[in-house]
Formats: sequence, C-alpha cells, structure tokens
Amino acid sequence: GDSVTQMEGPVTLSEEAFLTINCTYTATGYPSLFWYVQYPGEGLQLLLKATKADDKGSNKGFEATYRKETTSFHLEKGSVQVSDSAVYFCALPNSGYALNFGKGTSLLVTP
Amino acid sequence: GAVVSQHPSWVICKSGTSVKIECRSLDFQATTMFWYRQFPKQSLMLMATSNEGSKATYEQGVEKDKFLINHASLTLSTLTVTSAHPEDSSFYICSAPRASYNEQFFGPGTRLTVL
Repeated sequence: GDSVTQMEGPVTLSEEAFLTINCTYTATGYPSLFWYVQYPGEGLQLLLKATKADDKGSNKGFEATYRKETTSFHLEKGSVQVSDSAVYFCALPNSGYALNFGKGTSLLVTP
Repeated sequence: GAVVSQHPSWVICKSGTSVKIECRSLDFQATTMFWYRQFPKQSLMLMATSNEGSKATYEQGVEKDKFLINHASLTLSTLTVTSAHPEDSSFYICSAPRASYNEQFFGPGTRLTVL
C-alpha cells in the first residue's frame, strides 16, 4: 500500500538554524501529501499540504514541495525558533481515506 | 477552525476493567471517524474506521471484540477498550474528515494507562 518514510530523529538545532526533515513516499498514483505537527501535550495539527505534483505547501515559515521525480515532500524552514520544538509527521491518505503516517521526527530547538 | 474533542484526556484503570473514550466533532457532522493508536516515540497506527449507522471497519490485527467502536450519532464516536490489560496502555487519537477527505481534524488524544 501507499506509505511514507521520513528521517529518524531526534533532530537538535540551535535557534535560527535551517531545518530540513526528509520525507519520501511510495504510491501507485499521486496522492495528496501532508505534514502534521504535534506539540508537547497537544493533538496533531495540520501544518501544510500539497495536493498535486510541483505544488508547494507553506505555513508558519515552513515549506514543502511535492516532487514526483524524486517522490519526496521534504519539510524545510529557514530559521527555526524554540517554539518549533515538536514532533513532525509526514502523511498521505490510504485507500480508505484515513492517513498513513511516517514514524515522526522529533525536533528540539535550543536557544 | 473545526474542532474535534476527546474525553477523557487521560485515564488510569485496573487490569480487567473496561474504558470508554469519546470522540466528538464539535461544529460539523462526521459520518466517518478514524481511531488511531500511538505508542511512545512512535507513529500513529490506524486501528479502525468508525461509520455512523453501520459497523466499524477494523485494520488487520486489531481485535474488534476488544476495541468496541460505536458511532452513535453524526457527531459522536466511542471506543471502548474491554478487559483492558497493561499492553493496551497507549495514546488513542481520533480524527474526523470534514467536507472532503483532504481535510481531517484530530482530537487531542486520550492517554490510557492500565495498571
């Protein structure tokens, strides 16, 4: 079935550093792709999404581009903040419209 | 934005007892809701799809007699963990799609600890 693979964490960065979290997908077609974020003690929140190839999703300074040639949807942010510390999940829909998630990447940003 | 609530947010119970977790869509109707389970430092695994007015659809390996799902109304789905055991301790999360399946909203999760 369709799935995503994302880089293992934890990732520790200093404030204002550049962030990349890699995500690659395996799918029979071109599904929508999502990044969700889970802040400590909170539920999952949609961070951004892209619905077709070459789309760029963006939100709160984060960006990800849907690249079919490399089957990737890497998450990037130019300058991270302490408040970005969270767990980030890459995801795509399964055949039943629920979501298949990657294993999650924990990000810790230090002052 | 759309809100999905879960109750309780955490629960501790003794082994052998049953626990009910509620998932509510607060400002929209959801004919379908999804239940996930998240182990510490791991990803979310889909357990079942809850369907209003019909039986839930369980993922392979999920015991339907242990994890009872009832979608009582268009805004409420419940997950009952029956005869809970310590290995059932986990973080249970529900979600509901709204308007289209490209928009899903997640509840804050329920932490279950079975002693």
